[in-house]
Amino acid sequence: DAKTTQPTSMDCAEGRAANLPCNHSTISGNEYVYWYRQIHSQGPQYIIHGLKNNETNEMASLIITEDRKSSTLILPHATLRDTAVYYCIVNAGGTSYGKLTFGQGTILTVHP
Amino acid sequence: GAVVSQHPSWVICKSGTSVKIECRSLDFQATTMFWYRQFPKQSLMLMATSNEGSKATYEQGVEKDKFLINHASLTLSTLTVTSAHPEDSSFYICSALRTEYQPQHFGDGTRLSIL
Repeated sequence: DAKTTQPTSMDCAEGRAANLPCNHSTISGNEYVYWYRQIHSQGPQYIIHGLKNNETNEMASLIITEDRKSSTLILPHATLRDTAVYYCIVNAGGTSYGKLTFGQGTILTVHP
Repeated sequence: GAVVSQHPSWVICKSGTSVKIECRSLDFQATTMFWYRQFPKQSLMLMATSNEGSKATYEQGVEKDKFLINHASLTLSTLTVTSAHPEDSSFYICSALRTEYQPQHFGDGTRLSIL
């Protein structure tokens, strides 16, 4: 699976949009981009995933560049409860499907 | 949303004992379940992949005789840490996958402390 690069940490003011970038320049055509987050002492929580098109759900939006080499997770109105480690992961199907490789992620701190 | 239940959430036991952790998918049948381990201030590391009715596949460096995985049904997988020692103390997390390309859903983890 392709590797991802994320900033180590980011800050965001409560109520503002949080934009978390991720680089995956070696992504293959069949690899999806997944975003998870982990709040302290809990298991990871699925946020959103996509292949080519931008995606939106009740939690966030995922913007994938046309060349698919990078993506941005957008939390439209960040709250204090969004403080967590955010992981961007690329994964393909086949024999490696589901074997998620977690990097160090981005520590997002939402402050009042 | 999909719910994965993990039990127990916290266990403390003496060195040399065996500990069993259960992982259940509550509202869907999981084709595959995964077990991860997370040490303090580190990221999650995949330990093994578990498919119902077949032997688990372990990642390199993970001792299959120490970490026994049983996947008896499409909704239940268990991880048994045999003859646990202090270095096995960690946060163990399971996840369940319904079908390929769908997102995995994770349990809330089990914090294992071996004295």
